[in-house]
Amino acid sequence: GESVGLHLPTLSVQEGDNSIINCAYSNSASDYFIWYKQESGKGPQFIIDIRSNMDKRQGQRVTVLLNKTVKHLSLQIAATQPGDSAVYFCAENTDAGNMLTFGGGTRLMVKP
Amino acid sequence: DAGVIQSPRHEVTEMGQEVTLRCKPISGHDYLFWYRQTMMRGLELLIYFNNNVPIDDSGMPEDRFSAKMPNASFSTLKIQPSEPRDSAVYFCASSYRGTQYFGPGTRLLVL
Repeated sequence: GESVGLHLPTLSVQEGDNSIINCAYSNSASDYFIWYKQESGKGPQFIIDIRSNMDKRQGQRVTVLLNKTVKHLSLQIAATQPGDSAVYFCAENTDAGNMLTFGGGTRLMVKP
Repeated sequence: DAGVIQSPRHEVTEMGQEVTLRCKPISGHDYLFWYRQTMMRGLELLIYFNNNVPIDDSGMPEDRFSAKMPNASFSTLKIQPSEPRDSAVYFCASSYRGTQYFGPGTRLLVL
């Protein structure tokens, strides 16, 4: 029979377009957030992080926006490339230690 | 730095056999995490250590799973006896000041 698994939201974009991946986090006390990229057959790879005292942080082709009022995090990828195709996870730090709570992930597909 | 190192990268075993997964964290990191990832359940935290001491093992599925960290540069996750439902990718991650860095994972298949 057909296997049932997690249904990952999928974002399909054209190469060269900008991508926006959204994440709603759960704990208003979270003070540190990370975006990870996971390519097929590999472990999650750190992309960019942001602390709760910031609203925006930019990296190379990526920008993370944090809206604490509505507990929303987004990852913007400029000029999306085929190599950006992957599953993207947001994660929040919810305690004083280093434990992270991960979101379910969004699959980004880049059409050439 | 070589990053987090895991071995083996792939493991195929038969039901009932003992499986040992190994992890070398990034030097200087004081936290180590073991995760399991499946299509059905996504990424699950199994256990984590701080300065070699287990802090939270509430994610360990059952007594068949055990983890140790005898020193700051080595950890093992053991499954005994293994069952087909343990088939998954097991990731080790280490961190210092919040950012976790993941290893490449061990893909386990229990027949």
